Amino acid sequence: DAKTTQPPSMDCAEGRAANLPCNHSTISGNEYVYWYRQIHSQGPQYIIHGLKNNETNEMASLIITEDRKSSTLILPHATLRDTAVYYCTSHNAGNMLTFGGGTRLMVKP
Amino acid sequence: KAGVTQTPRYLIKTRGQQVTLSCSPISGHRSVSWYQQTPGQGLQFLFEYFSETQRNKGNFPGRFSGRQFSNSRSEMNVSTLELGDSALYLCASSSTSTVNTEAFFGQGTRLTVV
Repeated sequence: DAKTTQPPSMDCAEGRAANLPCNHSTISGNEYVYWYRQIHSQGPQYIIHGLKNNETNEMASLIITEDRKSSTLILPHATLRDTAVYYCTSHNAGNMLTFGGGTRLMVKP
Repeated sequence: KAGVTQTPRYLIKTRGQQVTLSCSPISGHRSVSWYQQTPGQGLQFLFEYFSETQRNKGNFPGRFSGRQFSNSRSEMNVSTLELGDSALYLCASSSTSTVNTEAFFGQGTRLTVV
């Protein structure tokens, strides 16, 4: 499983785009990159995932570099409710997720 | 569609006791994974079951065990509880065993060992 590295914390102004980076240089060719977030003391919530193409859904966009060594999660218009810990991870065939420390995103008014 | 349900939500146990936690996955999901979350170690994978078979196990002592029933519901058991077992225990379910499947987490069981 790929080891991931994320900045421990980030701030973002409400209404602005939040760009959360993740380094996953050891990811293998068939491992998807997943993003989850955890709002205080709740279970993690799935956000988005991708293999090598950029992905977009109603919550966020995921940009994966061509070499797949890093990715960026983009929340286009952050709100106060987006304040959470964001985890970048990979997912092997055994449904085992390996979480790093995540990024604590603070959205400020 | 009901989400992942974990019971109980909160639990207080004494050192040396044992505890059983329960997880009901989303209907139709056959894969159930368990995670331990502590402030010091973060989110750590415990084990994963698919169709009643344990497929993966994390680096935890044998005091931590689990099982899955034919209806996909899962239980995890911790015997001889230690203070360090105090944590939020999270269960996640997935519909398949492929790498292209997201996991849905329950709200967790907060275990306090005194």
